[in-house]
Amino acid sequence: EADIYQTPRYLVIGTGKKITLECSQTMGHDKMYWYQQDPGMELHLIHYSYGVNSTEKGDLSSESTVSRIRTEHFPLTLESARPSHTSQYLCASSELTGTNEKLFFGSGTQLSVL
Amino acid sequence: RKEVEQDPGPFNVPEGATVAFNCTYSNSASQSFFWYRQDCRKEPKLLMSVYSSGNEDGRFTAQLNRASQYISLLIRDSKLSDSATYLCVVQDQAGTALIFGKGTTLSVSS
Repeated sequence: EADIYQTPRYLVIGTGKKITLECSQTMGHDKMYWYQQDPGMELHLIHYSYGVNSTEKGDLSSESTVSRIRTEHFPLTLESARPSHTSQYLCASSELTGTNEKLFFGSGTQLSVL
Repeated sequence: RKEVEQDPGPFNVPEGATVAFNCTYSNSASQSFFWYRQDCRKEPKLLMSVYSSGNEDGRFTAQLNRASQYISLLIRDSKLSDSATYLCVVQDQAGTALIFGKGTTLSVSS
């Protein structure tokens, strides 16, 4: 089983609040990702990181920020939560073997913004 | 056009059936291809990589057609436990982000 953890598992919060979703992995993986997924829909890439001090934007990055100060930690921050942010947020780290990249996902954070 | 497109679901099949899923990708320079499986309300997990020559893992066979830019997944002798959403995943080049398709839902019934 993968050693990647997300907290909180569920979060209900009011509009305008600043929130940080936590993601940690103990596998020593350099590359990490944040995806957003609505029920029955595809995963949308929000941000990713190649390693410490590296952050890259995905398709839905404009309303959030990430940081990568330590290899094992990749938190996602929403400065001002809105109802449109209600979704499931999945963090992943990846193991690269040659050209094969295997993603290990956390259990996700289900965010509801009221 | 979406980067990765999959057959619309759901596929409802009886146990023992053979079922095939297709996936097309828009970037001809894409280099790596995968199938992930996602159970209801769970995180995705890697099912298998897709190699140029095609590859098999038990009842699962994956194939790649670069000329037509499509990937397929064949499941033989379907089991109840195969019920899940199958996600097609494409990577443009080693190290870039993985792009997920919307997924095709399979429901296997007894």
